Amino acid sequence: AQKVTQAQTEISVVEKEDVTLDCVYETRDTTYYLFWYKQPPSGELVFLIRRNSFDEQNEISGRYSWNFQKSTSSFNFTITASQVVDSAVYFCALSIIQGAQKLVFGQGTRLTINP
Amino acid sequence: GAGVSQSPSNKVTEKGKDVELRCDPISGHTALYWYRQSLGQGLEFLIYFQGNSAPDKSGLPSDRFSAERTGGSVSTLTIQRTQQEDSAVYLCASSLVGTQYFGPGTRLTVL
Repeated sequence: AQKVTQAQTEISVVEKEDVTLDCVYETRDTTYYLFWYKQPPSGELVFLIRRNSFDEQNEISGRYSWNFQKSTSSFNFTITASQVVDSAVYFCALSIIQGAQKLVFGQGTRLTINP
Repeated sequence: GAGVSQSPSNKVTEKGKDVELRCDPISGHTALYWYRQSLGQGLEFLIYFQGNSAPDKSGLPSDRFSAERTGGSVSTLTIQRTQQEDSAVYLCASSLVGTQYFGPGTRLTVL
């Protein structure tokens, strides 16, 4: 079975601070995807990134960056110079590449950026 | 292009009534998923459709829940004899290759 743990339930920072959201996963499968989704107050889940288990390259997209480390089973997400619009609940998720690819989600981290 | 759409956006029903929730996936996406988001259980998988294959119903919580997908496109999730614990946001997602894109969800409230 797969499991995703987001230990940080809530984080609150002041605008322009950097913030890192932690994600730790468990799976016995060797081929899988890892995802981050954003859920703003409107409620819709917005796809941010997908990484394959065989590609440990870190990725940067503007103010967002992701650190994937198989050795520690972690897929952390950093927002640099945070903005109020980054306030949302962020979910980390895992799916096995074979079969249904159903997503297993972490419990989410509620991020609040204060002006 | 158009994203995943769901209707209704909100549904209030009385305990014991049946409800139908609809999902329109992104055009061309062969896979369709239903998830449920509730305060106590977080985000959990319900059912998966892929083309003409038999659906994966392993996440359905009881036999009161069923779903169908007609013509490989629109899907309907039906909950019979609703219970208060069915209150949640029901999310639909579709995908072509690996990444699932979600609709805005249907908030179901059972009184």
